[in-house]
Amino acid sequence: AQSVTQLDSHVSVSEGTPVLLRCNYSSSYSPSLFWYVQHPNKGLQLLLKYTSAATLVKGINGFEAEFKKSETSFHLTKPSAHMSDAAEYFCVVSDRANQGGKLIFGQGTELSVKP
Amino acid sequence: KAGVTQTPRYLIKTRGQQVTLSCSPISGHRSVSWYQQTPGQGLQFLFEYFSETQRNKGNFPGRFSGRQFSNSRSEMNVSTLELGDSALYLCASSLGGQYNSPLHFGNGTRLTVT
Repeated sequence: AQSVTQLDSHVSVSEGTPVLLRCNYSSSYSPSLFWYVQHPNKGLQLLLKYTSAATLVKGINGFEAEFKKSETSFHLTKPSAHMSDAAEYFCVVSDRANQGGKLIFGQGTELSVKP
Repeated sequence: KAGVTQTPRYLIKTRGQQVTLSCSPISGHRSVSWYQQTPGQGLQFLFEYFSETQRNKGNFPGRFSGRQFSNSRSEMNVSTLELGDSALYLCASSLGGQYNSPLHFGNGTRLTVT
């Protein structure tokens, strides 16, 4: 069975400082991992995905994540936060036991960006 | 390319009523999934349809049902509404629903049950 734990429910940074959102996962098979972002009253937008190619994955809006199998982690980072990055972020895991559109979502991390 | 479209955006219903939500996937996408999002439970998988067949189902009561049409458009229905059904309902589509395919989400339907 798969599971995902987002280690922080809320992260607050100042504009221009680095962002780190932490995610640990559990999977019986080689997982696919995703990060999604949700702005208020909006659906979820895919930031990036890992599907067993390069372990460092670059996404949209300057975000990237590194897959570390030994640590079962997939942390999301950005060198410099922007006000528009304030949103909720979800780490998601899936593997071949999960056919049929069923993704396992973390509980989310709310990112606040202070001016 | 148009994204996933969900209608309506907002709904207010009273307990005991039923409701139908609609989802139009991205053109060419054959898999449509539905999720319920609440502050307490987060994002929970309802079901997934592919080529008009339900392939996967989450742990929701039978009051929650869905269907998919030949053009891949999907509807979900909730009967005998309860206060706890108040949530944001999200529809997502993908090409074939493989585990490594990212989902593309609509903006959701906000259902309030009073």
